[in-house]
Amino acid sequence: ETGVTQTPRHLVMGMTNKKSLKCEQHLGHNAMYWYKQSAKKPLELMFVYSLEERVENNSVPSRFSPECPNSSHLFLHLHTLQPEDSALYLCASSQETGEADTQYFGPGTRLTVL
Amino acid sequence: SQKIEQNSEALNIQEGKTATLTCNYTNYSPAYLQWYRQDPGRGPVFLLLIRENEKEKRKERLKVTFDTTLKQSLFHITASQPADSATYLCALGDDYKLSFGAGTTVTVRA
Repeated sequence: ETGVTQTPRHLVMGMTNKKSLKCEQHLGHNAMYWYKQSAKKPLELMFVYSLEERVENNSVPSRFSPECPNSSHLFLHLHTLQPEDSALYLCASSQETGEADTQYFGPGTRLTVL
Repeated sequence: SQKIEQNSEALNIQEGKTATLTCNYTNYSPAYLQWYRQDPGRGPVFLLLIRENEKEKRKERLKVTFDTTLKQSLFHITASQPADSATYLCALGDDYKLSFGAGTTVTVRA
């Protein structure tokens, strides 16, 4: 995909590791999102950034730390994760954080925590 | 707390038939509702948006209805094709926040 890209696509890490997920959007959007999708469960909104400012932190544990250095890039820094954090992590972007703005998703990073 | 239910985990239909998916919600008054398609190993892709003051929207072979009294949305795929096989997600919206259902996986048999 050229719209929203995510790296790596797959990640296996131990509970004591530190890793980062990267998202880049090529759509000129001002808002970016992190979601968690566990098997058979709905997508859960984790964080929202608008013009590099965090506007939403949906009661996410501190072992997940987001960073938005500019409106095109979004990172999710991971440390001391638990096995239940294994999931598909999806990044999305939208033009603004306006009502009903269409969100464009990346392909996701499949994370496995051992 | 709000609850979003999509009628079933899986729906198997014959090619050419109409697939009808249901999204019910409780304890919520969304301003709009969106439907997304998700293929294995891919992120969701936006299909349709319907607002609370709209009853029906169409896009090619897709139709969505929104009944705020019943707290229900129906999503129809007419003249279904094997290429329509995917998981379909409903998402209820308030401002920029989306709350997703768990999805219904549709398989269209040739």
